[in-house]
Amino acid sequence: AQSVTQLGSHVSVSEGALVLLRCNYSSSVPPYLFWYVQYPNQGLQLLLKYTTGATLVKGINGFEAEFKKSETSFHLTKPSAHMSDAAEYFCAVSGLNTNAGKSTFGDGTTLTVKP
Amino acid sequence: GAGVSQSPRYKVAKRGQDVALRCDPISGHVSLFWYQQALGQGPEFLTYFQNEAQLDKSGLPSDRFFAERPEGSVSTLKIQRTQQEDSAVYLCASKDSPAYTQYFGPGTRLTVL
Repeated sequence: AQSVTQLGSHVSVSEGALVLLRCNYSSSVPPYLFWYVQYPNQGLQLLLKYTTGATLVKGINGFEAEFKKSETSFHLTKPSAHMSDAAEYFCAVSGLNTNAGKSTFGDGTTLTVKP
Repeated sequence: GAGVSQSPRYKVAKRGQDVALRCDPISGHVSLFWYQQALGQGPEFLTYFQNEAQLDKSGLPSDRFFAERPEGSVSTLKIQRTQQEDSAVYLCASKDSPAYTQYFGPGTRLTVL
């Protein structure tokens, strides 16, 4: 069984400020973890993923996330927010032994960037 | 190269009507997934195909929902006798095997009146 909890359904930051979006997961098997971004009326775009190896992963648009097994977390960060980062962000988990990558998603965090 | 495409992008149905939603995956992708995304929520898994075989349909909410992928490429999600609670965005994703990354289409927004 897998689940994802995204703490904070809405996060607001000022342009240039640090972005921190929180994600905690549970998984009965070694997890694969993903962050996606969704702009209005569009599908999901992969930002980054953790499968194995290095626990700090870098993605597109300056985002990165760190897999912390002891904390069952995979928080998303970006040092300096840009107006174009305003969107909905989803954390997802799939497991090594689950059906070929079937993913379980969190409920999303809406990021607002203030000028 | 072309990504995952879905049609129609928007569909309005009267309660009780049948609808069919189409997904064209990335060419050559073995795996295809359907997800349902209700307003304000994350996507929820509906069903999964590997080539033409439907290996998991555990997420289909009722027997009114039916999916097929007869030739292992294009897939259709059919909803019979639509209800208001079926209103959602239906997302399709495909991936190559054994890759981990799913590529999502833009979704079909279904509104049932």
